[in-house]
Amino acid sequence: DTGVSQDPRHKITKRGQNVTFRCDPISEHNRLYWYRQTLGQGPEFLTYFQNEAQLEKSRLLSDRFSAERPKGSFSTLEIQRTEQGDSAMYLCASSPAGGLSNQPQHFGDGTRLSIL
Amino acid sequence: GEDVEQSLFLSVREGDSSVINCTYTDSSSTYLYWYKQEPGAGLQLLTYIFSNMDMKQDQRLTVLLNKKDKHLSLRIADTQTGDSAIYFCAESIGRDNDMRFGAGTRLTVKP
Repeated sequence: DTGVSQDPRHKITKRGQNVTFRCDPISEHNRLYWYRQTLGQGPEFLTYFQNEAQLEKSRLLSDRFSAERPKGSFSTLEIQRTEQGDSAMYLCASSPAGGLSNQPQHFGDGTRLSIL
Repeated sequence: GEDVEQSLFLSVREGDSSVINCTYTDSSSTYLYWYKQEPGAGLQLLTYIFSNMDMKQDQRLTVLLNKKDKHLSLRIADTQTGDSAIYFCAESIGRDNDMRFGAGTRLTVKP
């Protein structure tokens, strides 16, 4: 079990550029979540997939943000026309489907985005 | 503002017990979680408790849940320097497992 893997670990880019992050969940997990974490805060939910279907999006996910999980395995999160306020740690988590009970989410080490 | 609240800092001496407290507001929360985050890393799941339980013990960790007061605590026995980290309390609501996190408690363990 290799855990949740995120790439890259760090991304530095200029304001206005587009960036894309990748998340590989734990292989048997069909739920995948994206969170954003700013300094001194807990993670804030962005969006979630069950298999390839994007089932929920937070108000934090502006139209510059798009997430995909085309084959129900890895996921990408793209931010277009980046702004200073997008600087944060972007965390991915995965869990098995809940069924009658929720399963805990397992997190990757995150991608730290810095906007110059 | 956040619906899950935690004190921001806790400092203890090595070998003492640490108690990290959390309050949450949604009475329909099904699961409550404790995660640990070390610098530059993601969140590591420590333990979790189902809302119909009062207590859960796992080696040095004890979780207490007071559902009436919506209060959750994490006790770490025999705290070690390696326990220094930020500890997040989180609640899970609904079948989609939406999670809401507190701002985290920074635990510092002094030798």
